[in-house]
Amino acid sequence: GQQLNQSPQSMFIQEGEDVSMNCTSSSIFNTWLWYKQDPGEGPVLLIALYKAGELTSNGRLTAQFGITRKDSFLNISASIPSDVGIYFCAGQPFRTGTASKLTFGTGTRLQVTL
Amino acid sequence: EAQVTQNPRYLITVTGKKLTVTCSQNMNHEYMSWYRQDPGLGLRQIYYSMNVEVTDKGDVPEGYKVSRKEKRNFPLILESPSPNQTSLYFCASSLGLAGYTGELFFGEGSRLTVL
Repeated sequence: GQQLNQSPQSMFIQEGEDVSMNCTSSSIFNTWLWYKQDPGEGPVLLIALYKAGELTSNGRLTAQFGITRKDSFLNISASIPSDVGIYFCAGQPFRTGTASKLTFGTGTRLQVTL
Repeated sequence: EAQVTQNPRYLITVTGKKLTVTCSQNMNHEYMSWYRQDPGLGLRQIYYSMNVEVTDKGDVPEGYKVSRKEKRNFPLILESPSPNQTSLYFCASSLGLAGYTGELFFGEGSRLTVL
């Protein structure tokens, strides 16, 4: 099955810094999602995007649905220690339906130093 | 509290010894799925179920079986585990066709080691 490429694979940043990560696909998606996995936990949905060009925020997090529909970006502003974890992008070709066609990215591991 | 519960959370077993990882959700979700997480590979879907008695293969189904006899339960069965099935496994559920928004609810994970 297809996998999405996430970049970077891992990053160390200092508390207070802004973070950017992205996800690219060879296929067009009509839904992009960003999940976060805290250490020892299962992933939790952060942001869902349903329209090309859409920019959505959730607190310090902002995600964008790329115009080409083949990529998405996640930014975290003013990082704090609890931002530590693995961030997964996920995409699917439909706006509705089920999660059966959801494809996950390879993940970006974020570590924050004080 | 709405949740997806997996058991066991940790398991060490030996090659060939059949095991079952249970998954239960209390949200009346129609859709359930199993994923495995491996370093550098992200989350890969093993099997999914659209509703009771309806299951289908995901991207990496070899060596696994599932069943969906009740809406709330979706056990993952490894009939003859092998070392390449050592992984972190996640069960997830979501609303079905009528209300799906993209959100999957994940369990806390089951870390399996096959020696």
